[in-house]
Amino acid sequence: GAGVSQSPSNKVTEKGKDVELRCDPISGHTALYWYRQSLGQGLEFLIYFQGNSAPDKSGLPSDRFSAERTGGSVSTLTIQRTQQEDSAVYLCATLLAEATDTQYFGPGTRLTVL
Amino acid sequence: GENVEQHPSTLSVQEGDSAVIKCTYSDSASNYFPWYKQELGKRPQLIIDIRSNVGEKKDQRIAVTLNKTAKHFSLHITETQPEDSAVYFCAASIRASGTYKYIFGTGTRLKVLA
Repeated sequence: GAGVSQSPSNKVTEKGKDVELRCDPISGHTALYWYRQSLGQGLEFLIYFQGNSAPDKSGLPSDRFSAERTGGSVSTLTIQRTQQEDSAVYLCATLLAEATDTQYFGPGTRLTVL
Repeated sequence: GENVEQHPSTLSVQEGDSAVIKCTYSDSASNYFPWYKQELGKRPQLIIDIRSNVGEKKDQRIAVTLNKTAKHFSLHITETQPEDSAVYFCAASIRASGTYKYIFGTGTRLKVLA
């Protein structure tokens, strides 16, 4: 595809349920980032994948959050036992490392935990 | 730790006036400074960026200046128009050892009054 895509666009879940959010990067982009944006707030860094290196997980807020990137392409962010404070827009961004410093963002997944 | 401060958090200007948003970063190793515009309900979009070997860059009505000594950079929008109304984010990025780490500011909500 032409840009970064994310699915689902909206997700409503009940407190305590697990959710999976998906990011499809621009083809060939080797770096992938997950951010969380709460209503009216800035971009909170969660996790960063770079090629085959170990991911930088320093932004994950708790052990309920995890992410993986299979085959250097698609990434899945998993939130276990969701809480109401997890409600936010989750944004994925990718970058073609070695060629540019520019991140390209996906449209985000709006997560609502009831 | 690394930090980017952004001011003001909100800014209202009359159509046709100029708007200035300022950011300060803490890590002197930062070498790339993008600005993103996020319209309501949409993804952040890169509008301009500057690298550490340049002091100023201009693209039509928008310009960015960088003062490495003071570790601050600014976004300038001239002849503002209603469609400039959005949230603007600055970021500081460090490119080191093949990795790209971004720290975002907290955002500025710009309102251009017609």
